[in-house]
Amino acid sequence: GENVEQHPSTLSVQEGDSAVIKCTYSDSASNYFPWYKQELGKRPQLIIDIRSNVGEKKDQRIAVTLNKTAKHFSLHITETQPEDSAVYFCAASPGGSTLTFGKGTMLLVSP
Amino acid sequence: GAVVSQHPSWVICKSGTSVKIECRSLDFQATTMFWYRQFPKQSLMLMATSNEGSKATYEQGVEKDKFLINHASLTLSTLTVTSAHPEDSSFYICSAAQGSISYEQYFGPGTRLTVT
Repeated sequence: GENVEQHPSTLSVQEGDSAVIKCTYSDSASNYFPWYKQELGKRPQLIIDIRSNVGEKKDQRIAVTLNKTAKHFSLHITETQPEDSAVYFCAASPGGSTLTFGKGTMLLVSP
Repeated sequence: GAVVSQHPSWVICKSGTSVKIECRSLDFQATTMFWYRQFPKQSLMLMATSNEGSKATYEQGVEKDKFLINHASLTLSTLTVTSAHPEDSSFYICSAAQGSISYEQYFGPGTRLTVT
């Protein structure tokens, strides 16, 4: 089955800095890679996703890059704000099927 | 659009009793629903996948006789934790996918189960 590794487990940045979270996956059949933000006690919230037919996608301060050859994808958050503080999960799926989640990254943005 | 609800949002039960959690897609038909369990400071772990009208597919290590899943309609799936024990205390989250080849899963708000 699919195995998703996520790093780092915790990330502390100053407000305004950039944050990068990296994930690797094992199953070459995976073609859908979402990123979720989860606040304590809340549901995971989809913040951006990418499919395997593109290498990069951007939405305002958030971007995701995908390298299918190396089987890794990354989340980039620019101009971080304290409200970006949360746990972020990457996931991989062979499209239309089950999601396999990474272990999560706790992002702390200090004012 | 694509709203998923869960009920109850939290429940406390005594060891040995059973508790049922409902997951509903409010504005779309969910061909497939997923049940996850999340322990504190851990990731979401898939427990089972259910398709309307058929038996759920359980992940390895998940006891199907303990975690009963029923997907009776295109808008409702239920998870029943039978003979609950304190180690079953967790955050249970459902998600729903629209259509048989939908990529995105829509998550419910979760149910906090505490077994005393």
